[in-house]
Amino acid sequence: NAGVMQNPRHLVRRRGQEARLRCSPMKGHSHVYWYRQLPEEGLKFMVYLQKENIIDESGMPKERFSAEFPKEGPSILRIQQVVRGDSAAYFCASSPGQHSGANVLTFGAGSRLTVL
Amino acid sequence: DAKTTQPNSMESNEEEPVHLPCNHSTISGTDYIHWYRQLPSQGPEYVIHGLTSNVNNRMASLAIAEDRKSSTLILHRATLRDAAVYYCSPGGSYIPTFGRGTSLIVHP
Repeated sequence: NAGVMQNPRHLVRRRGQEARLRCSPMKGHSHVYWYRQLPEEGLKFMVYLQKENIIDESGMPKERFSAEFPKEGPSILRIQQVVRGDSAAYFCASSPGQHSGANVLTFGAGSRLTVL
Repeated sequence: DAKTTQPNSMESNEEEPVHLPCNHSTISGTDYIHWYRQLPSQGPEYVIHGLTSNVNNRMASLAIAEDRKSSTLILHRATLRDAAVYYCSPGGSYIPTFGRGTSLIVHP
């Protein structure tokens, strides 16, 4: 009964390259969230997705960042033309999608992106 | 979502109880109060949540003030493995938000 799986755990990119981070939610979870954590800072919400739909991307930078959660396969966070400021830990979380208020998230171990 | 205030850091000795406070004075009547923690170099993990009544589970207890404007996460006997950043996250929306949390230091 695997939890939220993220890969790669560590990714090194040079400025201008693309970074793709993948997230497989827990079995039975249909809602995925992406958060970014800069060094020594808290978690910042980026995007919330359900299968084939972006529900809320209010926390995602307007340029270079995109996310998807296709019908089949993992959710992907894509960063184009990376810059040094993109260096951070990116966490994916999933939930069953119960919107009664007790929306408990299960987090993955994170993907740590380093931009040289 | 309600704005939260937590101390930046707290210290405890091993085997002693720890009370981690959180103020969420703008919480609405239907908002649940969630607590998560993040161990070093790991992803956050769920600890406990509640609405109005105090809650207990195998990890911790959650004491919620009668007016719900504050809550306290209680670790009954701190261990070195409890050293982490603890986040209070009240809210009714489907997007949990997190402040900077409280960094708990546990001394042997």
